[in-house]
Amino acid sequence: KAGVTQTPRYLIKTRGQQVTLSCSPISGHRSVSWYQQTPGQGLQFLFEYFSETQRNKGNFPGRFSGRQFSNSRSEMNVSTLELGDSALYLCASSRLGLGDDYGYTFGSGTRLTVV
Amino acid sequence: KQEVTQIPAALSVPEGENLVLNCSFTDSAIYNLQWFRQDPGKGLTSLLLIQSSQREQTSGRLNASLDKSSGRSTLYIAASQPGDSATYLCAVRDRDDKIIFGKGTRLHILP
Repeated sequence: KAGVTQTPRYLIKTRGQQVTLSCSPISGHRSVSWYQQTPGQGLQFLFEYFSETQRNKGNFPGRFSGRQFSNSRSEMNVSTLELGDSALYLCASSRLGLGDDYGYTFGSGTRLTVV
Repeated sequence: KQEVTQIPAALSVPEGENLVLNCSFTDSAIYNLQWFRQDPGKGLTSLLLIQSSQREQTSGRLNASLDKSSGRSTLYIAASQPGDSATYLCAVRDRDDKIIFGKGTRLHILP
């Protein structure tokens, strides 16, 4: 059974550019959530999508956005990149999401470096 | 606002010892609590998931307990091995259906 797949694994971008990260959940999982991990702030929740709808959102600026497709694959976009956006971006999938008793399975992450 | 704290931030113990990692949370209204392991530069590996109605879960040498009323969870690792060296994170799924992570405990098992 395939796990959660994130692409690309590594990315280097310049300040001001935009970037799109991709996450393919485990087959049958309908919920995908995104997290930013930095040494100073730890793991912080960005947003969660369920059945193509954003259901939950963390405290990040509007430069961070996402979407989910009908096959449950999700993309995260960051526009006008800043140096502080350098981080490991993790996505996680869950079978049902809201109120369910299932945990989350994480991908290996995308390491974004902004120069 | 839910906050999750993990103490200690770092821990070094000799191989073979049993050890306990602690996790506390401020709001007891949670759906579940999950323990993860993260190796340097890698993603998270789920270790144990405890539902809000459960008191503990076991997997091999790992045992996790949950006391919702006091807002605490512990991860017990028996007979530690060098391969157990990693950062251990706990996360709660709160009433707003968000996952809140602690900052983790960096564990180093000395051969």
